[in-house]
Amino acid sequence: QKEVEQNSGPLSVPEGAIASLNCTYSDRGSQSFFWYRQYSGKSPELIMSIYSNGDKEDGRFTAQLNKASQYVSLLIRDSQPSDSATYLCAALNTGGFKTIFGAGTRLFVKA
Amino acid sequence: DAGVIQSPRHEVTEMGQEVTLRCKLISGHNSLFWYRQTMMRGLELLIYFNNNVPIDDSGMPEDRFSAKMPNASFSTLKIQPSEPRDSAVYFCASTSEWGRDEQFFGPGTRLTVL
Repeated sequence: QKEVEQNSGPLSVPEGAIASLNCTYSDRGSQSFFWYRQYSGKSPELIMSIYSNGDKEDGRFTAQLNKASQYVSLLIRDSQPSDSATYLCAALNTGGFKTIFGAGTRLFVKA
Repeated sequence: DAGVIQSPRHEVTEMGQEVTLRCKLISGHNSLFWYRQTMMRGLELLIYFNNNVPIDDSGMPEDRFSAKMPNASFSTLKIQPSEPRDSAVYFCASTSEWGRDEQFFGPGTRLTVL
């Protein structure tokens, strides 16, 4: 079992729709979670971090965390073609020394 | 402020040759991470340093790979001898606090071993 699992996609949504990206993790001691966006040929960049159960909103992005279910999600409202990228879910392991990345979900937003 | 700097950006070499990848951390950061990314395996952590000390090198694939951090701002990743299966994009990333904080990635080095 991979430590951080994501559906590889591709996930295709029309412009203006909500894109929902999901992630599960296996390390029950993980306390910090991150969503990175990676455009093709570029390096990952952080778009959201979340540390507590519940929702965290930043503009069009909402991260959701449920530690009991070991589940993290990212919602992108009013999706734009510029949101088309690979989204990497990451979890900081117990002890806080290593960030484990999922394989990423490819998102396509159709104009 | 300059971000994480990596060099070279592209490297094409022949099997058996030595390859050295370089990384300069963001000023003030004290943790450095080397990753390898391929389509098949995704983003893999190879090794990470904190305050110049290697903390975990369990991700280094084999003895052909070695990494050093001779000072607080600079690191190298060496592959000797290189093999075609080493072809990948190699990223380094730095953070200010043991990885608890956001990791800032460099632009990557695309390595092709023929």
